[in-house]
Amino acid sequence: KNQVEQSPQSLIILEGKNCTLQCNYTVSPFSNLRWYKQDTGRGPVSLTIMTFSENTKSNGRYTATLDADTKQSSLHITASQLSDSASYICVVTNMNYGGATNKLIFGTGTLLAVQP
Amino acid sequence: EAQVTQNPRYLITVTGKKLTVTCSQNMNHEYMSWYRQDPGLGLRQIYYSMNVEVTDKGDVPEGYKVSRKEKRNFPLILESPSPNQTSLYFCASSFIGQGTYEQYFGPGTRLTVT
Repeated sequence: KNQVEQSPQSLIILEGKNCTLQCNYTVSPFSNLRWYKQDTGRGPVSLTIMTFSENTKSNGRYTATLDADTKQSSLHITASQLSDSASYICVVTNMNYGGATNKLIFGTGTLLAVQP
Repeated sequence: EAQVTQNPRYLITVTGKKLTVTCSQNMNHEYMSWYRQDPGLGLRQIYYSMNVEVTDKGDVPEGYKVSRKEKRNFPLILESPSPNQTSLYFCASSFIGQGTYEQYFGPGTRLTVT
């Protein structure tokens, strides 16, 4: 069964500290892996997209890693800010060879709270 | 500004009263999709459309209808809403194909059915 699991479910850190969020998946065949940031009450916004051949990608203070062999990804946030408080969702795209587009499999997210 | 818009943003209704949530995108995307988000669950796809007049069921289509008469619009219709359809709904759009295309999400519609 295609699944995406994220850990921890929630996390509280102090402003200025670093943190790492984890994502494990069993999606096959794999197309790409995305990390989204979702502020409370708003739609998800893309942070990074990585294909099979990419093992790291950065977007400002956000750095995502991908190990396609172990089917694991992480999102590292450096020097956290209060505005980083949000839910972070890992999404794996299931390659659909027979169709014109692929299917996105969503994790349940990690809720991050950055405190002053 | 490139965006996906949804209306209304908040809606409280009663069981059985038909409603429509509109979705519009201005990026000329072929692909549009509706998701619902419930506590403890990831976003689940309701319906999607790969182009005008082409729609298909997602993972949780029961109780919903969609239409795609124009490329930019993809309304979600609840013919007879029930309390278990109380949820946060997102519309999304993207270009189509096997490539790595960004999927853009709308701001969400919070629906409460009493």
